Amino acid sequence: GAVVSQHPSRVICKSGTSVKIECRSLDFQATTMFWYRQFPKQSLMLMATSNEGSKATYEQGVEKDKFLINHASLTLSTLTVTSAHPEDSSFYICSARDWTSGGTVKQFFGPGTRLTVL
Amino acid sequence: GENVEQHPSTLSVQEGDSAVIKCTYSDSASNYFPWYKQELGKRPQLIIDIRSNVGEKKDQRIAVTLNKTAKHFSLHITETQPEDSAVYFCAASGAYSGAGSYQLTFGKGTKLSVIP
Repeated sequence: GAVVSQHPSRVICKSGTSVKIECRSLDFQATTMFWYRQFPKQSLMLMATSNEGSKATYEQGVEKDKFLINHASLTLSTLTVTSAHPEDSSFYICSARDWTSGGTVKQFFGPGTRLTVL
Repeated sequence: GENVEQHPSTLSVQEGDSAVIKCTYSDSASNYFPWYKQELGKRPQLIIDIRSNVGEKKDQRIAVTLNKTAKHFSLHITETQPEDSAVYFCAASGAYSGAGSYQLTFGKGTKLSVIP
């Protein structure tokens, strides 16, 4: 399947700092990427849909000013957690859709970023 | 919006036995149903998917069945092996919906343990 990378894989920061997470589609172009948050032993919760060249679409309850998303190119989307607090500690995973040779679209995930806010 | 229910939340089977995980969805417009396997601390990996124009799909030891009328789909793993132990998530995706196009709605996951 298509390859999605994410960086960094792990980050520890102090409360009040901002953290940027990068998501890249390595071998395909992705006009749309998705950002998820996953708490321990729980499912994937969609935070926002990142659209190349336009504003992201946020899910209900997700603060736009806290979780800034930029999708500047067809292969890169970034999530910036601004003024991070301990409650923002979580596993953040991005994903992107790729059209297969069969004409169907499949969604592939990055390896995730473990954020710990002290 | 779409709502996906997944059962059971945990499942233990003996090595070599079969495992079945079931999901139901609420939106009759949903037409794509992927299954992901997630090992601890790792990314979800797409293992099999099915579209609404097909009732069953098989890939070696893994199969997925879909009942559109009843709005449920199931994952079947035969001849289970210890390396099948992981959390499995089902998901459903509907038709294009504007800015939130083709979003996947996930079930809550099933932790499968295969006992050697």
